[in-house]
Amino acid sequence: DAKTTQPPSMDCAEGRAANLPCNHSTISGNEYVYWYRQIHSQGPQYIIHGLKNNETNEMASLIITEDRKSSTLILPHATLRDTAVYYCINERDDKIIFGKGTRLHILP
Amino acid sequence: GAVVSQHPSRVICKSGTSVKIECRSLDFQATTMFWYRQFPKQSLMLMATSNEGSKATYEQGVEKDKFLINHASLTLSTLTVTSAHPEDSSFYICSAMTGSRTEAFFGQGTRLTVV
Repeated sequence: DAKTTQPPSMDCAEGRAANLPCNHSTISGNEYVYWYRQIHSQGPQYIIHGLKNNETNEMASLIITEDRKSSTLILPHATLRDTAVYYCINERDDKIIFGKGTRLHILP
Repeated sequence: GAVVSQHPSRVICKSGTSVKIECRSLDFQATTMFWYRQFPKQSLMLMATSNEGSKATYEQGVEKDKFLINHASLTLSTLTVTSAHPEDSSFYICSAMTGSRTEAFFGQGTRLTVV
């Protein structure tokens, strides 16, 4: 089973920042937090990953709490093309196990 | 980012026949590849993990004799669905990781329909 918990769905107005939370309270000290997203009928797309420090790339920012029990993915300026299911993942035994993810709706 | 190519993207086959799906890492060597299955409105379910040159490790409940996985090279893994039945109709997705295991890259998926 997945070790992460996410809200099933969220809405965000176009142009605003989308903040997607994830709880991973059982994460081990050397496990990374990964975020992927899946647009309808496509394979998952890598977004970002981190261990302890906050991370930023051209797609998003990742904020990890100091105790590492939760994180937030931030899409700074959401567009309609960001409509997708977003998955927060820890590796488990060298496997990538998907939870149910958050279905993000971008509202025009 | 790295590219993983899956082929075919769509396939329709008759019940009782076998279907082979290919997963290729185009610009990196994939020491580990994963195969997933996804039913409508559900998340990806891990079927098996394959490491180049060794037998695949199947998740609980996945029949290894029905879903044959071969990872003969560092750039190619294949999944063969044998004696397909309509309930095998699903979206099959592969992913590949490099030896450094920084992140996994996913194929575009194969939609299998068994009629």
